[in-house]
Amino acid sequence: DTAVSQTPKYLVTQMGNDKSIKCEQNLGHDTMYWYKQDSKKFLKIMFSYNNKELIINETVPNRFSPKSPDKAHLNLHINSLELGDSAVYFCASSQEAGPRGTQYFGPGTRLLVL
Amino acid sequence: AQSVTQPDIHITVSEGASLELRCNYSYGATPYLFWYVQSPGQGLQLLLKYFSGDTLVQGIKGFEAEFKRSQSSFNLRKPSVHWSDAAEYFCAVGANTGFQKLVFGTGTRLLVSP
Repeated sequence: DTAVSQTPKYLVTQMGNDKSIKCEQNLGHDTMYWYKQDSKKFLKIMFSYNNKELIINETVPNRFSPKSPDKAHLNLHINSLELGDSAVYFCASSQEAGPRGTQYFGPGTRLLVL
Repeated sequence: AQSVTQPDIHITVSEGASLELRCNYSYGATPYLFWYVQSPGQGLQLLLKYFSGDTLVQGIKGFEAEFKRSQSSFNLRKPSVHWSDAAEYFCAVGANTGFQKLVFGTGTRLLVSP
């Protein structure tokens, strides 16, 4: 009965590899987000999708590509991984994309690039 | 663009003592304000939120926060801290128009001493 789930929970990989992180929400929400939390715990939004359409795209390298196959899923694919990509990636969802859309977060995916 | 400052990186409180965590925001209009808690190795859980109306808002786990427009603050309080409250606390601000894009503070780590 998990509301927002992410897989995998941990991901250890080599520089240069390509990896994906999956996110699913069963809350019936229309909007989903990806955030990155760096080693200093600073959280910053990366992307947001509303009804499968990209609505927020922060200054993120092109190596990061979100994909939303349906409203309940938002996956994050990362090409050519770099050391600086090591972080915790959080998925979130909200009922609406506007200001009153309270966001609910997943447990995070801890990515370590060696 | 909005921004938020949490001036305290760490705070240590004795169990049973009262707690206040500071949050100051910058935004040209009335912001939407949130407090989230992150337990070690976990995702973010929403404690409370302020959109409008009564400036004193109640949240889960006995927390409350007060919006003070004159001070651009949204401090989190709890009258009696429990050991299980030890965690990282994040204040976040959202714009009151457009797509919701939360901007987080850098967090305050709460330590609870016996």
